[in-house]
Amino acid sequence: ETGVTQTPRHLVMGMTNKKSLKCEQHLGHNAMYWYKQSAKKPLELMFVYSLEERVENNSVPSRFSPECPNSSHLFLHLHTLQPEDSALYLCASSPQFVGTDTQYFGPGTRLTVL
Amino acid sequence: AQSVTQPDIHITVSEGASLELRCNYSYGATPYLFWYVQSPGQGLQLLLKYFSGDTLVQGIKGFEAEFKRSQSSFNLRKPSVHWSDAAEYFCAVGAPEYGNKLVFGAGTILRVKS
Repeated sequence: ETGVTQTPRHLVMGMTNKKSLKCEQHLGHNAMYWYKQSAKKPLELMFVYSLEERVENNSVPSRFSPECPNSSHLFLHLHTLQPEDSALYLCASSPQFVGTDTQYFGPGTRLTVL
Repeated sequence: AQSVTQPDIHITVSEGASLELRCNYSYGATPYLFWYVQSPGQGLQLLLKYFSGDTLVQGIKGFEAEFKRSQSSFNLRKPSVHWSDAAEYFCAVGAPEYGNKLVFGAGTILRVKS
């Protein structure tokens, strides 16, 4: 399998549940990103990892907890979410964390919080 | 703060007609400029990017974009649209003085009528 994959593709959860989103990249990249895409709003950068270290946390609520165990895998752990957290969550990777590098996106996880 | 504006939320063009999608940005220096496309149920795919040099850049799928510093614009064009071009298009901008993060526009949804 090539590129950036995300699982699950769809997730429905209650506000008291705990779930995790998974992202895997097969491109040998050193930087990985989580974005939130809500209807009618620009993509919002949530977190950036470079060489497995978190280098950006864009004022994201603590109910979102990222984890990067190695350069190929990225997780987003979710707990006690709110209905307004319903969105498409996109993972991306790039060769390095530099502004000129192309980011390669996965297909996203469509999250619905009831 | 930096911002990216895509003035048109929706655009409808006839198949075979020409297309121009607008993007304006607010940055203090020469930015890094990207256009991405997102088909339904998919992640974002890079169409083209500009960092320096020739201000007219060619991308995939027959798209091109022109950087105009005096107008702070990076408009995307295609001379003849195909039905398969129906998708959402995002302009993204980065700049060295703002780290390595990209700021995305809100997107333009392109509809193609036959």
